[in-house]
Amino acid sequence: GNSVTQMEGPVTLSEEAFLTINCTYTATGYPSLFWYVQYPGEGLQLLLKATKADDKGSNKGFEATYRKETTSFHLEKGSVQVSDSAVYFCALTIQGAQKLVFGQGTRLTINP
Amino acid sequence: DSGVTQTPKHLITATGQRVTLRCSPRSGDLSVYWYQQSLDQGLQFLIQYYNGEERAKGNILERFSAQQFPDLHSELNLSSLELGDSALYFCASSVAAGGVNTEAFFGQGTRLTVV
Repeated sequence: GNSVTQMEGPVTLSEEAFLTINCTYTATGYPSLFWYVQYPGEGLQLLLKATKADDKGSNKGFEATYRKETTSFHLEKGSVQVSDSAVYFCALTIQGAQKLVFGQGTRLTINP
Repeated sequence: DSGVTQTPKHLITATGQRVTLRCSPRSGDLSVYWYQQSLDQGLQFLIQYYNGEERAKGNILERFSAQQFPDLHSELNLSSLELGDSALYFCASSVAAGGVNTEAFFGQGTRLTVV
């Protein structure tokens, strides 16, 4: 089946630290990969996406590269801010279907 | 603001009762999805409608049902509620039914508490 595994949280960092949240996937077919972010009390927002191998998605200083050989889509940011505190979800869809398969989410807290 | 509107924001009800959650998709979006977010199960896909027709079904219980109306809004009906149904229910919408470049936009969710 199709599944997404994220590194377990919670993750706590200091402001300006380097962030990596690991994400690996299993897919029957050729997936598109996504990172969604959920700020407190809000719905999910698409942060970035990649639709084919070696694509790099980027937004708001966050980056993730679609690595087919390692079935991974790790999220990185060079210097985090307090405002980045949220829950981050890695997800995939399989070509032809639109339903998202989510990882379990990683809660990130950034301290000033 | 994603443009997807869900009502109500919060709902508290007793076991055995029935509730209806409502979702208005973004203007122009034909596809609506329902997801359940709970502490133990994470984010689970329930069901998808496209232009009034059921398109895909996920882990939706038989006690739950949904429909999409001609004006494209959708309702999720939950009946014979159990304590374990307490969760955050999200609606999302997209322009198309599938395809690699179709982004789904999420509403703010309805928090259901069953007591």
